[in-house]
Amino acid sequence: GAVVSQHPSRVICKSGTSVKIECRSLDFQATTMFWYRQFPKKSLMLMATSNEGSKATYEQGVEKDKFLINHASLTLSTLTVTSAHPEDSSFYICSGAGLTSYEQYFGPGTRLTVT
Amino acid sequence: GDSVTQMEGPVTLSEEAFLTINCTYTATGYPSLFWYVQYPGEGLQLLLKATKADDKGSNKGFEATYRKETTSFHLEKGSVQVSDSAVYFCALSTGGGNKLTFGTGTQLKVEL
Repeated sequence: GAVVSQHPSRVICKSGTSVKIECRSLDFQATTMFWYRQFPKKSLMLMATSNEGSKATYEQGVEKDKFLINHASLTLSTLTVTSAHPEDSSFYICSGAGLTSYEQYFGPGTRLTVT
Repeated sequence: GDSVTQMEGPVTLSEEAFLTINCTYTATGYPSLFWYVQYPGEGLQLLLKATKADDKGSNKGFEATYRKETTSFHLEKGSVQVSDSAVYFCALSTGGGNKLTFGTGTQLKVEL
């Protein structure tokens, strides 16, 4: 299957700083990318959907000014957590889907810890 | 809104045991149903899917049947192996788009 990578795999940052997480589709063009957040023993919660070259569509309750998403190319999307706080600590997962397939291909996730 | 409910884990089985992981859903319209698997340190992978009532998805010895009357999509395997140890997520998609709604995941541990 298609491969999606995320970088970094884990990051620790201080409260008030910003953190950028990269999501790359390695062997296909991801016209749509999704960002999820996963709490311990909870399901994956969709944060936003982004189409290449367009602004992201955020789910209800997700602050777009806090979680900045950029999808500038068909193989790269970034999530920037701005002014991070301890409550932003979580596991963030991205996925990509091609134009002709509804199947999503998932990255391995990024563990963010805000101290 | 749409939702998916899975049995809580962890589920611990001996090798060659029979596996069932229950999944039920609520959705508007007619959803497509999926099972994803996440092996340690890896991303979620699509295990199987079913797009309409009475369809049976199958892959790697796993099966699940789309039961509209009971709004269920239970995952089964006749004989599990240690290599099946992973977290299994049930999910649905409605509206023809790619948007997925996930269950909480069920961790499976298979021991020798």
